Amino acid sequence: EGQLLETGGGLVQPGGSLRLSCTASGFTFDSYGMTWVRQAPGKGLEWVAAVSGSGVTTYYADSVKGRFTISRDNSRNTLFLQMRGVRADDTAVYYCAKNARIEPGADLDWFDSWGQGSLVTVSS
Amino acid sequence: SYELTQPPSVSVFPGQTATIPCSGDRLQEKYTYWYQHKPGQSPVVIIFQETQRPAGIPERFSASRDGDTVTLTISGTQPMDEADYHCQAWDSSTGVFGAGTKLTVL
Repeated sequence: EGQLLETGGGLVQPGGSLRLSCTASGFTFDSYGMTWVRQAPGKGLEWVAAVSGSGVTTYYADSVKGRFTISRDNSRNTLFLQMRGVRADDTAVYYCAKNARIEPGADLDWFDSWGQGSLVTVSS
Repeated sequence: SYELTQPPSVSVFPGQTATIPCSGDRLQEKYTYWYQHKPGQSPVVIIFQETQRPAGIPERFSASRDGDTVTLTISGTQPMDEADYHCQAWDSSTGVFGAGTKLTVL
């Protein structure tokens, strides 16, 4: 279904900003929604944000709404997550995932490809 | 916010059947999905649209529903099946994951 490679993780201070990128290959990028999912240490998977294939429609978890922005550049087959005002509880491995549908979040949608993950650590 | 409930852990001997339940309010109205996640690896979908297995996923993985509870069943569990298993559903275009169940093959 495709390959995904996340970059941009690292150490960031509380209140700071960081941008994650996810480069896709092996599929027609603009035909599928894309999603960010994270896993905090010792915790389960948490859905973070999603964007439609066109980039027009976006969805956010309440925990990141107003602080994170998901976007995509279909000319570069790249997905982004701009993180602002980060907090300690944003520390996690962030995965980008390919949705099975062009519009994410429909009941018949799922995540059929995942990246390897990028670690974001929020600490002073 | 919508929640899916899974047991934190399940243990099984090799060759036995493992069952992992996932429950949620009105879950019977939603399709459910299951992901296998091994340490250091990316999650992999093993069940989609309630009962479907993607190509390459062994037949020993199956899923069923009883009202608002869906259950992942692994028949003839193998040591390689030791992993975290997460159920997932959609609620108003928002993805929701269960907290995950750690399957230990004794």
